[in-house]
Amino acid sequence: NAGVTQTPKFQVLKTGQSMTLQCAQDMNHNSMYWYRQDPGMGLRLIYYSASEGTTDKGEVPNGYNVSRLNKREFSLRLESAAPSQTSVYFCASSEASQGTYEQYFGPGTRLTVT
Amino acid sequence: KQEVTQIPAALSVPEGENLVLNCSFTDSAIYNLQWFRQDPGKGLTSLLLIQSSQREQTSGRLNASLDKSSGRSTLYIAASQPGDSATYLCAAHTGNQFYFGTGTSLTVIP
Repeated sequence: NAGVTQTPKFQVLKTGQSMTLQCAQDMNHNSMYWYRQDPGMGLRLIYYSASEGTTDKGEVPNGYNVSRLNKREFSLRLESAAPSQTSVYFCASSEASQGTYEQYFGPGTRLTVT
Repeated sequence: KQEVTQIPAALSVPEGENLVLNCSFTDSAIYNLQWFRQDPGKGLTSLLLIQSSQREQTSGRLNASLDKSSGRSTLYIAASQPGDSATYLCAAHTGNQFYFGTGTSLTVIP
């Protein structure tokens, strides 16, 4: 199994450009998440989707939109990129199994906005 | 809002030493607590998950404990090796979200 995959791995954008980060999981999980990781800040939740067809804001949703395309795929869109969105973005998925909700992470997308 | 703290931020130990990493959280109403390892430039790898009803979990040289009443979890690494050098993060599952600490960067010196 591939687990959680993310594309692209690296991206450089100019201020004002838009892009979509793609995430897919093959574990049949209901819940999916987008995080950003910045030095000294830890991982902060941007948006999450508890199940297909639903999305909710996390701690830092401003400047982002998401789409839960189907059970497998959860995309993150930056409509007008800003230098403050330079970060490493991680997608994760989880599922209740015997009462647990263990999270599995993708390899990350390293985004630089100039 | 759940706040998760990891102390120390960095730790350097000689090879072979046993060590403890600390994680504290402010809201005891957690479903579980998960420990991760992150190597430089890589994603997060799950190490151990402790359900709220459990006190500890073990995997090889790793042992994680959970004390919900005091809002604390520890990750014990026995007989540390240079390959254990990485950043270790804990995450508390509260409500529909996971809240992460900022991590402890561990260096094991050969």
